[in-house]
Formats: sequence, structure tokens, C-alpha cells
Amino acid sequence: DADVTQTPRNRITKTGKRIMLECSQTKGHDRMYWYRQDPGLGLQLIYYSFDVKDINKGEISDGYSVSRQAQAKFSLSLESAIPNQTALYFCATSDSGGVLTDTQYFGPGTRLTVL
Amino acid sequence: QKEVEQDPGPLSVPEGAIVSLNCTYSNSAFQYFMWYRQYSRKGPELLMYTYSSGNKEDGRFTAQVDKSSKYISLFIRDSQPSDSATYLCAMSPLGGTSYGKLTFGQGTILTVHP
Repeated sequence: DADVTQTPRNRITKTGKRIMLECSQTKGHDRMYWYRQDPGLGLQLIYYSFDVKDINKGEISDGYSVSRQAQAKFSLSLESAIPNQTALYFCATSDSGGVLTDTQYFGPGTRLTVL
Repeated sequence: QKEVEQDPGPLSVPEGAIVSLNCTYSNSAFQYFMWYRQYSRKGPELLMYTYSSGNKEDGRFTAQVDKSSKYISLFIRDSQPSDSATYLCAMSPLGGTSYGKLTFGQGTILTVHP
């Protein structure tokens, strides 16, 4: 979905490196989310933010941190990457004021490999 | 035990077949049910949603919810090769501390071959 963009799309890094994944949206939504996807495990919520001043941990936040720089931008950081953080990462947005308040719109994903 | 269980498949069917995809859930607070479709190397996109028990139809797709059994289904009629994708069920409560958060199933990989 071009309304939600993620950079980079692919990244290979080494154990111990700090990595930042960025998400931007032009949908005007107030809520943003970060998920990771592993084969057979579906989507697991890492962090979510219901507005710029509201940041919450999801199911699997250990080893990750986030920053909500603006309503349209939500970044995910891996402070010291480890191999089991190799996964597909998705950013998503939703609109608390919309008709379908729980519907989330996903970006194209970032494929991260930690060697 | 996961709150939402979905058979990961993979499921392979011939073109034109009727496909049935299913999820079960354990949290009776879930009131909003969705199906997402995810093509290879893409993000999930919303396919269908429903708030209530019963059936909801959209073209070749029918979403069915049975809250008494905590069971939801997605039926695809006259399946096409372009339906080949991973299908994820998702659900959420409409209030409470989990409001705004979706719980996803593991996803079912579907291949429709010509």
C-alpha cells in the first residue's frame, strides 16, 4: 500500500549492530503499529502507538524500541541485533475516528537478516 | 494455547474449487472479525470484515462467524490462480484494554493451480 511506506525494504546486518526501520504514512491515521512475521507464527505485535505521546509494548517488545517522531512517522530500533530477530517486519496504521476503527493498513514490509 | 488458531496448510486446490479457510478463537471478548490476504513479498491487505454472527458475502468471498462455537470461516467460490496467497484471520474486542489491537491467526497458505 503506497500510503504506508517502509524503509529499507531489505537489510542484512551483523550481530550486535544497531538497526533502525522507518515507517511513514500519508493516510492521516493516528494509530501506528509494528509487527514481525515469522513462518508459521503469523503476525506478532512488537509495539503500538495510539498517538504521538502514547507508546505501548506489544507481545514481543524485548530487544526492540520505538520512536513516534510525528503523527506520520513511527520508527523501530533494534539496539543490538541478534540472529533470532531475522524476520519480516511490518508497519501498520489505523484510524481511531474512522468507521472501521480496528482495521489496520499495512506497509510493504522490511526483510531483515541478522548474521 | 494461542487465542486464535488457524491451520497453516498449505492448501492446494484446482482452479474452480470451493475453498474453506477456518479459525477458532478462545477469547469471548472478540467482536470484530477480519480476513486479510497477503501476496508473496507484500503486506497484508484487508479482504473482509464483520461484526456479527452469520454470513457476509462479497463477490466470490463469504465470511461466516459463529460466536457460539468461537469459529470463523472464509469461503472462496470458483477459486482462481490469482487467489493464491496467505490468508490471515484477525479479530479484536470492541472495547476494553485490548481495543485497537488485533490478534492474528498464523495464516493459511493457499495455492490455486490452473
